[in-house]
Amino acid sequence: AQSVTQLDSHVSVSEGTPVLLRCNYSSSYSPSLFWYVQHPNKGLQLLLKYTSAATLVKGINGFEAEFKKSETSFHLTKPSAHMSDAAEYFCVVTPYGGATNKLIFGTGTLLAVQP
Amino acid sequence: ETGVTQSPTHLIKTRGQQVTLRCSSQSGHNTVSWYQQALGQGPQFIFQYYREEENGRGNFPPRFSGLQFPNYSSELNVNALELDDSALYLCASSLVSGKDSGYTFGSGTRLTVV
Repeated sequence: AQSVTQLDSHVSVSEGTPVLLRCNYSSSYSPSLFWYVQHPNKGLQLLLKYTSAATLVKGINGFEAEFKKSETSFHLTKPSAHMSDAAEYFCVVTPYGGATNKLIFGTGTLLAVQP
Repeated sequence: ETGVTQSPTHLIKTRGQQVTLRCSSQSGHNTVSWYQQALGQGPQFIFQYYREEENGRGNFPPRFSGLQFPNYSSELNVNALELDDSALYLCASSLVSGKDSGYTFGSGTRLTVV
């Protein structure tokens, strides 16, 4: 079975400092992994995706994530936080193959950015 | 290119009633998935529709049902509403499986059951 574990439910950083949101995955096969962001009262927006190509994935708004198979991790980083980054972030896995590529979400990490 | 549109944005229903939520998929997308997001939790997969047929289902009872129309829009129907059905319902569209292309999500319908 596939699953993701987001290791922190809340992360608080100061504006201009680095962001690290941690995610570990469990998958029997080579997974596709995503990070989505959800601003208050908004839908989910795709930040970036890993689909077995380059292990370092660059996304929108300066975010990037590195797929580490040996550590079964897919942590999200950003060098410098901006106030507009405050939101909830979801690490997502979808299993390889199968007729239904449902998205399996983690429980989310709420990122607060302090001025 | 239009995104995913969901209606209504908010809805209040009484326990035992039935509700229909609607979703217009992004132009060019032929697959629609529905997710339930309870407060403080990540979205949970309800089901997916492809070519007007259910193409996979999560751990939800049969009173959750859906339809997909020839124009790829979709409906989510919930019968015999329970208080625990209160949640944000998200629709996501994709091209075919979405595995590589990702999904485009709507802003959701906030359902409150009282």
